[in-house]
Amino acid sequence: AQKVTQAQTEISVVEKEDVTLDCVYETRDTTYYLFWYKQPPSGELVFLIRRNSFDEQNEISGRYSWNFQKSTSSFNFTITASQVVDSAVYFCALIPLNAGNMLTFGGGTRLMVKP
Amino acid sequence: GAGVSQSPSNKVTEKGKDVELRCDPISGHTALYWYRQSLGQGLEFLIYFQGNSAPDKSGLPSDRFSAERTGGSVSTLTIQRTQQEDSAVYLCASSLSSGEETQYFGPGTRLLVL
Repeated sequence: AQKVTQAQTEISVVEKEDVTLDCVYETRDTTYYLFWYKQPPSGELVFLIRRNSFDEQNEISGRYSWNFQKSTSSFNFTITASQVVDSAVYFCALIPLNAGNMLTFGGGTRLMVKP
Repeated sequence: GAGVSQSPSNKVTEKGKDVELRCDPISGHTALYWYRQSLGQGLEFLIYFQGNSAPDKSGLPSDRFSAERTGGSVSTLTIQRTQQEDSAVYLCASSLSSGEETQYFGPGTRLLVL
């Protein structure tokens, strides 16, 4: 069975601060994929990134960056210079390659960015 | 747009009534998924389709829940004899194929059972 833990249920920052959202996962599979989704107040889950277990390179996309560390089973997400529009619930999720097709989600982290 | 669409966006029903929720996946996506998001349970997997077949129904919470997919496209999730605990947001997603492909989500149907 898979498990994804997002220990931070809620984070509040002031605009322009950097913020890191933690994600720790458990799986027995050697090949798996990790995802981050954003859920703004409108409710739709928006895909942000997909990373496979063999690629531990960090990734940067604009103000977003992701740090994947297999040794600690973590896939953390950092927003640099946060903006009010970043306010949302962020979900980390995992899917193993050969053990089903369902995403296992963490509980989500609600990020509030204040002006 | 070319995204996943769901209808209705909101549904209020009385306990004991049946409801149907509809999902239109992204064109060309062969895999379709239903999830449920509720306050107490987070995001839960319900069922998955590859084409018109449902190889994995493990997440359906009871036999009151059923789903079908026709023509490899539109899917309907049916809840019979609704209960108050069925109140949740029902999310549909689709992906190019099954497995590790990225799942793209629709806006969801908010179901309230009174």
